[in-house]
Amino acid sequence: AQRVTQPEKLLSVFKGAPVELKCNYSYSGSPELFWYVQYSRQRLQLLLRHISRESIKGFTADLNKGETSFHLKKPFAQEEDSAMYYCALRYRDDKIIFGKGTRLHILP
Amino acid sequence: DAGITQSPRYKITETGRQVTLMCHQTWSHSYMFWYRQDLGHGLRLIYYSAAADITDKGEVPDGYVVSRSKTENFPLTLESATRSQTSVYFCASSEPWTSQETQYFGPGTRLLVL
Repeated sequence: AQRVTQPEKLLSVFKGAPVELKCNYSYSGSPELFWYVQYSRQRLQLLLRHISRESIKGFTADLNKGETSFHLKKPFAQEEDSAMYYCALRYRDDKIIFGKGTRLHILP
Repeated sequence: DAGITQSPRYKITETGRQVTLMCHQTWSHSYMFWYRQDLGHGLRLIYYSAAADITDKGEVPDGYVVSRSKTENFPLTLESATRSQTSVYFCASSEPWTSQETQYFGPGTRLLVL
């Protein structure tokens, strides 16, 4: 069965320090993976997808099929990065499953 | 972002009552989704719809009913609300296999069942 695991519920990082939000997935097919972000009092929005291999707001994520991971990274955390982050796996007819989310708290 | 809206934004109801949450999108996206967001569970898919008159169950469909008579609307009905259905509900839409193949989310409906 498909599964997305985000092992950390809360991650606190000092401003300027590197950030890594972990995401592991379980899927027998070819995965399509996404990171979504939800800032305080705002709706969920797409941050980036592995197909695009893009960098958004300084964040990057590389799909590692060997480790079945799609960790989100940023070299230098900023206070505005504080938010809830969800890793998501898309499969079959655009069904998407989400991880439980990680709350990123940037400390001043 | 005004392309997908939800109403009401906040709702308090009592156990056993029927509640309908509305979702409307202006993009004519084929797919629409309903999720609930709970602490410790993240986002869970309740129902989704691939087109008008086509709906399918997600992970947690029990106690919910959906319909999709028009492409732009995807109401979610709690037939007899229970306290366990207290949650934040998000509607989303998408058009897969196009440049817009991301899900766009509504602002959410916060539901409290007493």
